Order: sequence, then structure tokens, then C-alpha cells
Amino acid sequence: NAGVTQTPKFQVLKTGQSMTLQCAQDMNHEYMSWYRQDPGMGLRLIHYSVGAGITDQGEVPNGYNVSRSTTEDFPLRLLSAAPSQTSVYFCASSYRGGASNTGELFFGEGSRLTVL
Amino acid sequence: SQQGEEDPQALSIQEGENATMNCSYKTSINNLQWYRQNSGRGLVHLILIRSNEREKHSGRLRVTLDTSKKSSSLLITASRAADTASYFCATVAYSGAGSYQLTFGKGTKLSVIP
Repeated sequence: NAGVTQTPKFQVLKTGQSMTLQCAQDMNHEYMSWYRQDPGMGLRLIHYSVGAGITDQGEVPNGYNVSRSTTEDFPLRLLSAAPSQTSVYFCASSYRGGASNTGELFFGEGSRLTVL
Repeated sequence: SQQGEEDPQALSIQEGENATMNCSYKTSINNLQWYRQNSGRGLVHLILIRSNEREKHSGRLRVTLDTSKKSSSLLITASRAADTASYFCATVAYSGAGSYQLTFGKGTKLSVIP
């Protein structure tokens, strides 16, 4: 069971560059989300999706874009990287979607991004 | 915005001792979940307790929920070195327009000394 797979695991960018963090899950989960984890800040929700074709903003969406063309994939795009986006990014999914998403989250192993 | 707040921020105990971590939150919840994160890894779900439950057990884990005090505690009994990790509580609350949102606290860093 692959679960939630994130790539790349590590990435270094220069300010202004763009990139995409990939996330794929093989559990047929409806709900997928992206978090960033910073020291002393816990995990903060960036964007989430309750199903293919449906996305919404979380707590800290600025500077990031997402799309959900398939149930399996939920890429996170950094449009113009800034040093403030240096963080560890986690993708997570849940089997329950829509308005009743109250279930446990399954996490990927994280993508560590440094913006110089 | 942070919903759950864990206490203490860090905890160091000897192997075999019990570890207790607390989580306080501000608004009404649907359920509360606890997760573990080993260093450099993703979070792993440990246990979910619903708002109408008061206590739940899973192996060496015991979780309590007091909705009147808006607080929860996670007890790990007979701790092992392998329990060294950060522990996060996450609250699921109604966020409007018929949907719910899960919000994490900042975590408790547990060190179990062999």
C-alpha cells in the first residue's frame, strides 16, 4: 500500500522561481489537503479539495495554487517562490469528503522546501 | 487560526513512566483527534474521540474528552523509547456552509529516555 505519496522530498529554489509539489493517493479518498509546517506554528492548512474539480482555500492560501483534475492527484503550485515559503509541506487525504469530512487524515512523508 | 493548544510544549520522562499531554480548544467540536509525528516523518493518526464520548482506549493510549472544559488529554502508559515523537491534537469543528474543518495545535514534543 503506497498511501499518500509526495514528490520531491527535498527542493531548493531561488526567489521568484515557480515549482509544483506533487501529491498522489491510491486509497480512493475524496478529500485531499495541503498543510505547511513551520517551527512553533504547528500545521496550517493551505488549500483543500472535497472531490475532483472542487478546491477551496484554507488558512494560508496566498502564493499557492491547486487543482484537482482526478481523484488521485492534488498538486500544489508555488507561483513565485519567496523565502517566507521555506517550510515543510504535507499532503493529507481522508476517505470522507464533502460537508461531512470529519474523519482521520492520512499524511504523506513531507516535502522540504528551501527558498533562497 | 489555532483551535487546539497542547500543554506542555515539551515533556521528558524515563522509560516505563506514564506520559500525559493536554489539549485545550475554544469552540464546539464534532470530534478531536490525536496524531504522532516522528522526527522528519509525516503525521500518523492515533485515535479519534467524538464529542459525545468521554474516554477511549487504544493499546497503551488513553484519551479523555471534557467538552464542558473544552479539553482533552492523551495518556501513554509504560512509555518506551520508541514513543519519542511530537504529539498533536486536532479538532474538527463546523466551519459554516454545511462543512467541517480540522485544525491542528502546535504539538507536544515527548522525549522518552531509555
